[in-house]
Amino acid sequence: ETGVTQTPRHLVMGMTNKKSLKCEQHLGHNAMYWYKQSAKKPLELMFVYSLEERVENNSVPSRFSPECPNSSHLFLHLHTLQPEDSALYLCASSQERGRNTEAFFGQGTRLTVV
Amino acid sequence: QKEVEQNSGPLSVPEGAIASLNCTYSDRGSQSFFWYRQYSGKSPELIMFIYSNGDKEDGRFTAQLNKASQYVSLLIRDSQPSDSATYLCAVWYSSASKIIFGSGTRLSIRP
Repeated sequence: ETGVTQTPRHLVMGMTNKKSLKCEQHLGHNAMYWYKQSAKKPLELMFVYSLEERVENNSVPSRFSPECPNSSHLFLHLHTLQPEDSALYLCASSQERGRNTEAFFGQGTRLTVV
Repeated sequence: QKEVEQNSGPLSVPEGAIASLNCTYSDRGSQSFFWYRQYSGKSPELIMFIYSNGDKEDGRFTAQLNKASQYVSLLIRDSQPSDSATYLCAVWYSSASKIIFGSGTRLSIRP
């Protein structure tokens, strides 16, 4: 248990579906991240929220829509995805300020788009 | 220049030897540095962090930081097959208030 929980762990969806990934952190952190990791590829930073405000959007297609209602929860809303969007989606959280800024990851959601 | 740069590997090391992983970063103002280990299909897990110049030891792992040269390294002594994984270097970029990850070095320990 890392303190960062992601649901669901696995998701299979069609290209016309709408689904959401959820991330919840119990560490009192104030920054949360979404990463995408395709097979045998490095982590790709998608979105960063700091103090519930989006501070980074790394040219992510609009079919991915993040939402951060409070500092403990982060969502990634998905619609009309493509097969190439199949990947491991990782959520992480950290403390924005101070020295202890290490990021802790959730277990990830393995997404398959069919 | 990439913000955090690592050699992608694979780095192959015989069992029992020392594995040395290196990372360079571009932001001179960075204060916090981390090493993560990621097994295939799993999420990264934090194994070491270092804030001050010099060495920091934790069991078989030693992190080394040289801020003047802007590099951080990870040494793994007495390498075991279970150490085979991808090792990610991460840097807290105070100028951007976010953690930046390198692309990772794949380490393989051969029996």
